[in-house]
Amino acid sequence: DAKTTQPPSMDCAEGRAANLPCNHSTISGNEYVYWYRQIHSQGPQYIIHGLKNNETNEMASLIITEDRKSSTLILPHATLRDTAVYYCIVRVAGETSGSRLTFGEGTQLTVNP
Amino acid sequence: DGGITQSPKYLFRKEGQNVTLSCEQNLNHDAMYWYRQDPGQGLRLIYYSQIVNDFQKGDIAEGYSVSREKKESFPLTVTSAQKNPTAFYLCASSDPLANEQFFGPGTRLTVL
Repeated sequence: DAKTTQPPSMDCAEGRAANLPCNHSTISGNEYVYWYRQIHSQGPQYIIHGLKNNETNEMASLIITEDRKSSTLILPHATLRDTAVYYCIVRVAGETSGSRLTFGEGTQLTVNP
Repeated sequence: DGGITQSPKYLFRKEGQNVTLSCEQNLNHDAMYWYRQDPGQGLRLIYYSQIVNDFQKGDIAEGYSVSREKKESFPLTVTSAQKNPTAFYLCASSDPLANEQFFGPGTRLTVL
């Protein structure tokens, strides 16, 4: 799986959009970008994933650059409950060798009141 | 409710003792996983299983053992051979070809 690079920490004001960047310059054509988040002392939670098109769900939006070397997770209206570590993961979807996820250290997002 | 349960939430053991962490899921998922997390670090894969009676080593399997006798259960044993077992342990499950892994609440193991 391709390696990802994320800033170690970010701050955001409550109610504003949180934009979390991720670099994955060695991504392969069949690798997807996944985002998970982990609230302190809990198990990680899936947020969203995408291949090359922008994606949106009830939690967030994912913007992938045209060359696919980077992406941005957008939380449109951040709340205090969005304070968590956010992990950007790149992997081949559906591979039978296991849906194993390789977690880096992620970005600690702190939403401030 | 469907989900993954891990018990206990906190576990204390003396050095040199084996300890088994429980993981149960009622999501009817074929694949299950064990991860270890140290403070300030990401998750590292210990073992995973794609089907009953089959499992594979992950990135840090030394000092750990697992079994997969039932689809819904994937217990992890931390043996005395694990040099630094104090950590947060997370179990997850998924359909093998699915995009999403579902995680349990974790067990925090402290070896005294």
